[in-house]
Amino acid sequence: GAVVSQHPSRVICKSGTSVKIECRSLDFQATTMFWYRQFPKQSLMLMATSNEGSKATYEQGVEKDKFLINHASLTLSTLTVTSAHPEDSSFYICSAIAPNPRSGSYEQYFGPGTRLTVT
Amino acid sequence: RKEVEQDPGPFNVPEGATVAFNCTYSNSASQSFFWYRQDCRKEPKLLMSVYSSGNEDGRFTAQLNRASQYISLLIRDSKLSDSATYLCVVNEEGRNAGKSTFGDGTTLTVKP
Repeated sequence: GAVVSQHPSRVICKSGTSVKIECRSLDFQATTMFWYRQFPKQSLMLMATSNEGSKATYEQGVEKDKFLINHASLTLSTLTVTSAHPEDSSFYICSAIAPNPRSGSYEQYFGPGTRLTVT
Repeated sequence: RKEVEQDPGPFNVPEGATVAFNCTYSNSASQSFFWYRQDCRKEPKLLMSVYSSGNEDGRFTAQLNRASQYISLLIRDSKLSDSATYLCVVNEEGRNAGKSTFGDGTTLTVKP
């Protein structure tokens, strides 16, 4: 099936610094990617929809100036957590929609996630 | 009220047991339904899509009742490797296709 990668897989940073997370679609083009966040023992919460060549669409309660999203190409979306604070520590996961050649339908493929720890 | 609600769990069952998970959703515009499996500290992996006609994949059977806005997952002959968190996921169609709403998940532990 389609492959989505994320980098880095794990990052530790100091409070006040910025961290960039990359999400790549490896064998398909993704005009739309999605960024989720998952806190311990909670489910995934959609943060924003990343649209290639245009501004991201943020979910209610997500600060667009804090979580900067850039989708500059059909295979790469980046999420930058600016001025990170300990409460931003979380598991960040991206996803993209791609056709499943076996079923003929579209499926959502998730990246492996990035575990961010802000100290 | 959450958009997608699941059994709170956790479920602790012996190997070979049959276990059923329930899920309800509140958005009547929802069109696509899925069960995902998430292992500890990993990303979710698609287990199966859910259709009104019901679908079966080996030991797993998923059912959808649109009238009741209810989704279920049945696991027969549980294996140790089935231990994971099972996420009920609902998508809209059209402009919002791909925007998934996740339930909080139900944790299953299968014991020898």
